[in-house]
Amino acid sequence: SQQGEEDPQALSIQEGENATMNCSYKTSINNLQWYRQNSGRGLVHLILIRSNEREKHSGRLRVTLDTSKKSSSLLITASRAADTASYFCATDAGDTGRRALTFGSGTRLQVQP
Amino acid sequence: EPEVTQTPSHQVTQMGQEVILRCVPISNHLYFYWYRQILGQKVEFLVSFYNNEISEKSEIFDDQFSVERPDGSNFTLKIRSTKLEDSAMYFCASRDRAQGYTFGSGTRLTVV
Repeated sequence: SQQGEEDPQALSIQEGENATMNCSYKTSINNLQWYRQNSGRGLVHLILIRSNEREKHSGRLRVTLDTSKKSSSLLITASRAADTASYFCATDAGDTGRRALTFGSGTRLQVQP
Repeated sequence: EPEVTQTPSHQVTQMGQEVILRCVPISNHLYFYWYRQILGQKVEFLVSFYNNEISEKSEIFDDQFSVERPDGSNFTLKIRSTKLEDSAMYFCASRDRAQGYTFGSGTRLTVV
């Protein structure tokens, strides 16, 4: 798979359920970030997890990182209809600021009210 | 909360015309980026800019593209002679060394 690939490509759940999205990558990273994008809109930074961190929480979001498996997961708990969006992981391979983010193809999440 | 501002939000241009997309990064950020997203596809890196020069660019960023930071606040992307395949959403982003990226809301470019 390509650097920063998410699965599933699409996910449909009922409001109140949890949504889990996965991301795999190939190269060494400095950090991994998750972004949200509403249809046709901008990218909203959700959470950043550094390579020496294993888990991070922010509100209803929980991100894990397994550098040995080169994978990450994003869990949204108690989903709401307003969580409907595309979610992207992006890997940052350098800490100088000069290295570009590499984005995955995204997971389209649909939360049914 | 500080924002990255992009203008215009929509731009329609004829094939072969020049376009300039504008961005105002967060004022104390040091690194600036342009990314693009063709409809339904991945967000792709175009170019990064640091210390008044290009620090990295992708294969997409050919001679038709250029970037400039003409003053202390604006960061522009110029496409010299637009092609139909340049139609995309263009995102500007900035970051400080210690923080994650902040993206602008994008400029939707349509080349007709």
